[in-house]
Amino acid sequence: GAGVSQSPSNKVTEKGKDVELRCDPISGHTALYWYRQSLGQGLEFLIYFQGNSAPDKSGLPSDRFSAERTGGSVSTLTIQRTQQEDSAVYLCASSLVSMNTEAFFGQGTRLTVV
Amino acid sequence: SQQGEEDPQALSIQEGENATMNCSYKTSINNLQWYRQNSGRGLVHLILIRSNEREKHSGRLRVTLDTSKKSSSLLITASRAADTASYFCAWRGGSYIPTFGRGTSLIVHP
Repeated sequence: GAGVSQSPSNKVTEKGKDVELRCDPISGHTALYWYRQSLGQGLEFLIYFQGNSAPDKSGLPSDRFSAERTGGSVSTLTIQRTQQEDSAVYLCASSLVSMNTEAFFGQGTRLTVV
Repeated sequence: SQQGEEDPQALSIQEGENATMNCSYKTSINNLQWYRQNSGRGLVHLILIRSNEREKHSGRLRVTLDTSKKSSSLLITASRAADTASYFCAWRGGSYIPTFGRGTSLIVHP
């Protein structure tokens, strides 16, 4: 596709349920990032994938959060046993693997845990 | 914040005025980028300035970088109502992972 695609756009789930958020990066971009943004706040780094290297999971807030990237392309962020504090916009971005390059963001998934 | 700050947090101006936003960070960097976000959704890249650059222009945007003060500023000249958005700085230090500031919310009144 022409840009980073995320699905769903919006997700309402009940507390305690598991959710999966999907990200389709730009073709050819080997770097993929997940961020979380709570209302009115900045972006909180979650996880970073680069090619076939082990992902940098240092930003994941708890073991309820996990992510995978299949075939170096599509990524899925999974949140198990969702809590109300997980409510946020989850943003995915991709880029070329270069220090001096921009990241391209998807439109995000707005997750609401009720 | 242990990472950095942006100020002001919110800025309200009239159309035609200039808007200046500042960003401070705490680590050494390779580059610093500015992004724009409309309605709390995806971010759009505006401009990247490398650590060995002091100033960069793109249309009505002017970015400065002072690595000795660990700070950057974004100037939007002759602002328009359509410039209303949140603006974020992000920097890369020794990692490929951009670290983002908390953002400045800009409102431009017609």
